[in-house]
Amino acid sequence: EEQLVESGGGLVKPGGSLRLSCAGSGFKFSDYNMNWVRQAPGKGLEWVAFISTSSNYIYYADSLKGRFTVSRDNGRNTLFLQMNSLRAEDTAVYYCTRDLEVRGWCFGWDIWGQGTTVTVSS
Amino acid sequence: QSALTQPASVSASPGQSITISCTGSSSDFGGYDYVSWYQQHPDKVPKLIIYEVSNRPSGVSNRFSGSKSDNTASLTISGLQAEDEADYYCSSYTGGSLIFGTGTKVTVL
Repeated sequence: EEQLVESGGGLVKPGGSLRLSCAGSGFKFSDYNMNWVRQAPGKGLEWVAFISTSSNYIYYADSLKGRFTVSRDNGRNTLFLQMNSLRAEDTAVYYCTRDLEVRGWCFGWDIWGQGTTVTVSS
Repeated sequence: QSALTQPASVSASPGQSITISCTGSSSDFGGYDYVSWYQQHPDKVPKLIIYEVSNRPSGVSNRFSGSKSDNTASLTISGLQAEDEADYYCSSYTGGSLIFGTGTKVTVL
């Protein structure tokens, strides 16, 4: 079964940092572009970051202003999101997602993890 | 870039058809046809139902169809069923960025 499993969420104080991980299994992880998407409580979906198969292309949402860094380790089939200078408005469920297209992109995400919750509060 | 604009809610009776619009500026779609649609049931993970404007992933009902004209993408659900009651989001690649729509709650009366 193709799946993504996120981990690393939790409660953090404003200004703190967290590193999220997303482990892929059941498919060749290195063949797919990956993304992070978040959803604040009761709110809509918000795209966070994109990383291509070999990390050659990396994009971020403008609103993050350099606070987040996406990376991947294809040898460990794992995607990461380093989040620094966290704010209350970063409180959300964070999903990792896989592009439908193999070794390409269509920006349609067919596999989503179950999500990991990040809460920023003092 | 702000979110693409969707109607907050749409409702219809079983068997009817509905269309959800997703409107932005020309830069929001970036001249690409990378528009996707997602269905999200309460407390569930979003599910891809349309990609590249009008393509359906394997296993998605053909009651779902997508289209795009100028700066508006649309999702049509025909033969509405009770299980279609959910939130729906469009998304678009803008060239170096991606944006979601504001989301539409579909209610089956």
